[in-house]
Amino acid sequence: GESVGLHLPTLSVQEGDNSIINCAYSNSASDYFIWYKQESGKGPQFIIDIRSNMDKRQGQRVTVLLNKTVKHLSLQIAATQPGDSAVYFCAENSGGSNYKLTFGKGTLLTVNP
Amino acid sequence: GAGVSQSPSNKVTEKGKDVELRCDPISGHTALYWYRQSLGQGLEFLIYFQGNSAPDKSGLPSDRFSAERTGGSVSTLTIQRTQQEDSAVYLCASSPTVSTDTQYFGPGTRLTVL
Repeated sequence: GESVGLHLPTLSVQEGDNSIINCAYSNSASDYFIWYKQESGKGPQFIIDIRSNMDKRQGQRVTVLLNKTVKHLSLQIAATQPGDSAVYFCAENSGGSNYKLTFGKGTLLTVNP
Repeated sequence: GAGVSQSPSNKVTEKGKDVELRCDPISGHTALYWYRQSLGQGLEFLIYFQGNSAPDKSGLPSDRFSAERTGGSVSTLTIQRTQQEDSAVYLCASSPTVSTDTQYFGPGTRLTVL
């Protein structure tokens, strides 16, 4: 069935290093993708999004890359900080739905000082 | 301004009891969503409200689950005859319109069914 999944369930990096979190999606009709950050005990927090007519989008210290050919999404965090430690979820708009997001299971990012 | 708020933050109930979870969306947001997050899992879509349109209930797992949104603002998610498998964090989100605008999430309600 259609799904959004993550290659790596956990990622541990040193403070100051760059982090890359990957996500595979299988619904070729999806045209909107989002990355959320969820800290312990809190709701998901929007990080960055990208539409399918783009292959790269940059924010503050974060970059999202979209490869529609292989249905792959990645989140790059530059100069990772301890405050970046959280679970990161990718989500897609469920085959083009205006509102129904399908979330992956998440990657736990741990930043070591 | 104020974000999405949910209450209670934690709820412990006994199997078979009914529970009500509340969500206050961001003021002015017309779209409201409920998700369920089980331990170590991603978010599972439950239901979606947009203005006065009929809600999309396609994600509700059983007829024990229902939700209302009164006056286009506050929403309550009701789970009747709770079961242990209902234990999860229930998250509410809102967005300004029906389009794929960013969904802003509340802190969630952690439900534990004993």
